[in-house]
Amino acid sequence: RKEVEQDPGPFNVPEGATVAFNCTYSNSASQSFFWYRQDCRKEPKLLMSVYSSGNEDGRFTAQLNRASQYISLLIRDSKLSDSATYLCVVNRGSARQLTFGSGTQLTVLP
Amino acid sequence: EADIYQTPRYLVIGTGKKITLECSQTMGHDKMYWYQQDPGMELHLIHYSYGVNSTEKGDLSSESTVSRIRTEHFPLTLESARPSHTSQYLCASSARETGELFFGEGSRLTVL
Repeated sequence: RKEVEQDPGPFNVPEGATVAFNCTYSNSASQSFFWYRQDCRKEPKLLMSVYSSGNEDGRFTAQLNRASQYISLLIRDSKLSDSATYLCVVNRGSARQLTFGSGTQLTVLP
Repeated sequence: EADIYQTPRYLVIGTGKKITLECSQTMGHDKMYWYQQDPGMELHLIHYSYGVNSTEKGDLSSESTVSRIRTEHFPLTLESARPSHTSQYLCASSARETGELFFGEGSRLTVL
């Protein structure tokens, strides 16, 4: 079993839709969690950290469920520019112990 | 925007050649990383540095080597390139232990 698992998609949604991604992790000792965004043939960029209490940044909401060992990302009012691959990243304790998921591909259609 | 730069962006080279991928950051970050990513696949850590003169191998075995003589510079070297080394190599840096990384634009290596 992979340490971090994501539904690869692709998710094809119309502009304005709400879309949600889940990510599960296997190591219960994982300490911090992130969502990164990676555009086609580009480098990953940090989208948001995921806090235990949940957090929101504009149209993006991230949540953590430690009991079930998953994190989620909700995107409201999808824009064409949201089309990208979304990477779930889990930290087991130090910066060298990051595990990247293989990503969920999102395409927002006009 | 993050200030981390990689050169070359694209490199096509023959088998057996020595190559060095350059990575520089101007943010004063102590921690720097090299990741390898094949198309549609996960990033895998191949090298890590805590600071000057401190390097260690990552989770994915790699024939490449790195050095960290200056805080801002973290080059990766392949002594003898092979087709199996064809991949994208991403350099990153961070100021903290938590996992908030800044990535360079990557170096796409093709070995013929």
